[in-house]
Amino acid sequence: KQEVTQIPAALSVPEGENLVLNCSFTDSAIYNLQWFRQDPGKGLTSLLLIQSSQREQTSGRLNASLDKSSGRSTLYIAASQPGDSATYLCAPTSRGSNYKLTFGKGTLLTVNP
Amino acid sequence: NAGVTQTPKFQVLKTGQSMTLQCAQDMNHEYMSWYRQDPGMGLRLIHYSVGAGITDQGEVPNGYNVSRSTTEDFPLRLLSAAPSQTSVYFCASRSQRTGSYQPQHFGDGTRLSIL
Repeated sequence: KQEVTQIPAALSVPEGENLVLNCSFTDSAIYNLQWFRQDPGKGLTSLLLIQSSQREQTSGRLNASLDKSSGRSTLYIAASQPGDSATYLCAPTSRGSNYKLTFGKGTLLTVNP
Repeated sequence: NAGVTQTPKFQVLKTGQSMTLQCAQDMNHEYMSWYRQDPGMGLRLIHYSVGAGITDQGEVPNGYNVSRSTTEDFPLRLLSAAPSQTSVYFCASRSQRTGSYQPQHFGDGTRLSIL
């Protein structure tokens, strides 16, 4: 059974800092891994999707990397802004699971002005 | 383009009552799913569907029923609500038509309290 751990559980940084969020998973047999953002009282917004054959994916100030063999992914946020404050969730899609996502508990990010 | 629409946004029920959480998507997505989100537990899959007429159980299916009569709609039914079903429920959909995996789109959730 896939298990996903996200570290740290919470992070508070001043505006402008670069930061890294970590995600680890126990079953390396995955199709892909997604990073989501969740704002308070809202649903999830997909940020980046990394296929199992890829090492990284970039969108604007966000860069996600994937090391499938070690069961790790990182989300790098450059030049953080107060608008980046949210909970960030990672979710791998395990092979043989009919494309079901397994979610971590998330990292609550606060960017202070 | 509305995306994934969930109704109601909030609901309070008494133990033993029944209700249906509605989910509709206008993107012609084949795959739809229901999750519940509880503090300290993360999102857990309840039921999912890969197309009209096809449903399957997820990680926590007990106490919930689903059906998929159309591509657009995927309602979640609580037959006899229990306090343990107090949670935030999310519906999601994604396309399976293309060769590569497509990201899931989530609704804004239904916040359900069972007294």
